[in-house]
Amino acid sequence: GAVVSQHPSRVICKSGTSVKIECRSLDFQATTMFWYRQFPKQSLMLMATSNEGSKATYEQGVEKDKFLINHASLTLSTLTVTSAHPEDSSFYICSARSEGSAASGANVLTFGAGSRLTVL
Amino acid sequence: DAKTTQPPSMDCAEGRAANLPCNHSTISGNEYVYWYRQIHSQGPQYIIHGLKNNETNEMASLIITEDRKSSTLILPHATLRDTAVYYCIVRSRSGNTPLVFGKGTRLSVIA
Repeated sequence: GAVVSQHPSRVICKSGTSVKIECRSLDFQATTMFWYRQFPKQSLMLMATSNEGSKATYEQGVEKDKFLINHASLTLSTLTVTSAHPEDSSFYICSARSEGSAASGANVLTFGAGSRLTVL
Repeated sequence: DAKTTQPPSMDCAEGRAANLPCNHSTISGNEYVYWYRQIHSQGPQYIIHGLKNNETNEMASLIITEDRKSSTLILPHATLRDTAVYYCIVRSRSGNTPLVFGKGTRLSVIA
């Protein structure tokens, strides 16, 4: 089945630095990827929709200048948390639909394993 | 906002069937019911989906009421590894749209 790979799985950084998280679709192409954020004991919250070759669409309340999304190819989307602060510490998860597969016909999204960011 | 209502938590004895209910009274005609689960500190995992007929796969069964206002996910023989948060989500089958997660049901499988 479709696999979405995220890297890194865990990252610790100092306040004020920037962190890049990669989301790759393995063995399938994804014109659209979705980025979610999850705080402890809470549900997943959609942050933005990443579109290959165009600008991302951000949900209300998500700062586009702070969470930079680049979807430069059909298999890679990146989320960069700029000038990270402790309140940005969270679990970031991406997802994608495998185009042209049985799963895509069923509109099934595949999720990455997530990236846990800790900002000191 | 999520269009579904689920109990916040449930317990199930290992080896027994786990029946997880979901209310979706405002579901529209072109919306399917999807179930995902999230094991602690992992990304969500797709389980099953359906429109109006009951569905079964290697992981679970999905029972949808005739009026489609509610459904039940059944794990026939729950194991400790099934302990997770289970999310019931209604969504159109067409279009490249995201999943909107509610609070889900935290299922604890007890030995």
